[in-house]
Amino acid sequence: GENVEQHPSTLSVQEGDSAVIKCTYSDSASNYFPWYKQELGKRPQLIIDIRSNVGEKKDQRIAVTLNKTAKHFSLHITETQPEDSAVYFCAASMQGGSEKLVFGKGTKLTVNP
Amino acid sequence: DGGITQSPKYLFRKEGQNVTLSCEQNLNHDAMYWYRQDPGQGLRLIYYSQIVNDFQKGDIAEGYSVSREKKESFPLTVTSAQKNPTAFYLCASSPADRLYEKLFFGSGTQLSVL
Repeated sequence: GENVEQHPSTLSVQEGDSAVIKCTYSDSASNYFPWYKQELGKRPQLIIDIRSNVGEKKDQRIAVTLNKTAKHFSLHITETQPEDSAVYFCAASMQGGSEKLVFGKGTKLTVNP
Repeated sequence: DGGITQSPKYLFRKEGQNVTLSCEQNLNHDAMYWYRQDPGQGLRLIYYSQIVNDFQKGDIAEGYSVSREKKESFPLTVTSAQKNPTAFYLCASSPADRLYEKLFFGSGTQLSVL
């Protein structure tokens, strides 16, 4: 079926450490992979996205890597700060009968001061 | 909310009642979406609309209805047929040229059943 698996469901790190969240997808035709950050009680916000024609994309302390062969992609946050604490959702485009965006179940990241 | 407004923030539904959630955007986006978020779950698509007067069912459309009479507005009605309506509802919009990309979300409506 069309699904996106996201791991881990919770992640706790010390301030300054790195955090990595991984997602796998089922549709080999998927070509768009965004990551959203949702702080407690707030709306999800796009933090970075990548297309299938590139393997890595960076934006300051955030990077996303994509392995099309293995059908997985990862979010890397370096030098974590308490304000990075939030729930992070990955997503992947699925073609199927009609185009759609399928979300993972989220990772709750806690950065301890 | 920087261009997309959802109201109300909290809504309570009685048994057998239909309720309507409002979503308005001034981003000039053609595409609009409704997602449902349950605790510990990803976002699931209810309905989406790419242009005025046209909309498509998402993965969990049963018990919901929408309309798109204006580009700026995409209200969602939760009908009495939706037996488990308690959830956080998110409206989103995006430019038309690539469906589902660069989604801009509203701040959500928490719907609860009395």
